[in-house]
Amino acid sequence: DAGVTQSPTHLIKTRGQHVTLRCSPISGHKSVSWYQQVLGQGPQFIFQYYEKEERGRGNFPDRFSARQFPNYSSELNVNALLLGDSALYLCASSWGTGGDQPQHFGDGTRLSIL
Amino acid sequence: GENVEQHPSTLSVQEGDSAVIKCTYSDSASNYFPWYKQELGKRPQLIIDIRSNVGEKKDQRIAVTLNKTAKHFSLHITETQPEDSAVYFCAASEGRGSTLGRLYFGRGTQLTVWP
Repeated sequence: DAGVTQSPTHLIKTRGQHVTLRCSPISGHKSVSWYQQVLGQGPQFIFQYYEKEERGRGNFPDRFSARQFPNYSSELNVNALLLGDSALYLCASSWGTGGDQPQHFGDGTRLSIL
Repeated sequence: GENVEQHPSTLSVQEGDSAVIKCTYSDSASNYFPWYKQELGKRPQLIIDIRSNVGEKKDQRIAVTLNKTAKHFSLHITETQPEDSAVYFCAASEGRGSTLGRLYFGRGTQLTVWP
């Protein structure tokens, strides 16, 4: 079975630009969460989506937005990119939305801002 | 929100020895505690998890213990092998009763196993 897939794997942007990252969850999983991982730190929660609805948002500015599609895939959008947005963006999928649902991560998108 | 502290930040052991990584959490309502292994340039991989109604869980060479009263949990790896070398992250879930699957992560432990 395919795991969580993310695209693109790497991306280089300049300050002020916009970026869209994509995620396909494990087949049968209905929930997608997005995390930001800065070098040397653990992942930080950005969003969770379940059944196309936003279920929660972490402490990130409004420049960050996301959506989930009927096939449960998801997009993360970041506007007006800043140098500090350089990070590994991870998508995790789970069967449901509860706090005790195991989350499985994709390989991530490495975003570099110049 | 939840605060997860993880120690040590680096750990070096000889092949065959045991390794222990410890985490504490602040929200007594958290009820799910997964551990992830992340090799360089790869995805965090779920290796074991424990729920708050269980005190210990074991899977071959790895085990996790949970002390709800003290609000700490630990990862134990026995008979370490060089391929165990990676960064290990502990995490705690959003508090009990929440339907939000938010995980709070520790800062990670770089484990190096020397042959």
